[in-house]
Amino acid sequence: AQTVTQSQPEMSVQEAETVTLSCTYDTSENNYYLFWYKQPPSRQMILVIRQEAYKQQNATENRFSVNFQKAAKSFSLKISDSQLGDTAMYFCAFRGLTGGGNKLTFGTGTQLKVEL
Amino acid sequence: DSGVTQTPKHLITATGQRVTLRCSPRSGDLSVYWYQQSLDQGLQFLIQYYNGEERAKGNILERFSAQQFPDLHSELNLSSLELGDSALYFCASSVSGANTGELFFGEGSRLTVL
Repeated sequence: AQTVTQSQPEMSVQEAETVTLSCTYDTSENNYYLFWYKQPPSRQMILVIRQEAYKQQNATENRFSVNFQKAAKSFSLKISDSQLGDTAMYFCAFRGLTGGGNKLTFGTGTQLKVEL
Repeated sequence: DSGVTQTPKHLITATGQRVTLRCSPRSGDLSVYWYQQSLDQGLQFLIQYYNGEERAKGNILERFSAQQFPDLHSELNLSSLELGDSALYFCASSVSGANTGELFFGEGSRLTVL
């Protein structure tokens, strides 16, 4: 079974600074997807960024980028120019492509607080 | 707006009661997933349906059941409710075989058991 580990329960960053959230995962699959979802106080689950395992290039979405290290099974999220609206719980998630119904497996989350 | 609709948004009930949560997936999505998020916890996978058939089962209690109907909407039935069942229940949908791989989440149904 796949597992996703987020070792930072809480983090804080000053507005306009850069912060990196860590995520590691364990799988025997070769092809899969990785995601970062954001959950603000509204509790809505919002997709931040996705990475296909077969792509070597790291995904980027505006101020959000990832560092995907397939061999190390590491998938960190970098938020540049942090904004107050980035304050949220961030979940790393894994989705395999074989068996198991292709569900998303989530980590326990990192609560990020952006401060003035 | 993800296109996934969940009702009700909030529900308060008593221990021992039974409730039904409803989910309408995005148009064209064949897979529906149910997740439970207890207070300050991550999302726990409960069950997945694909085109009316159960595809995968996670940590779903025997008191809970689900189904997906021919029109692809899904219902999660929670019975003999306990205080510990209080949680946010998410429904998500996806298109099988889609190359984006992501799940689209509804806004959740917040269940409070008193």
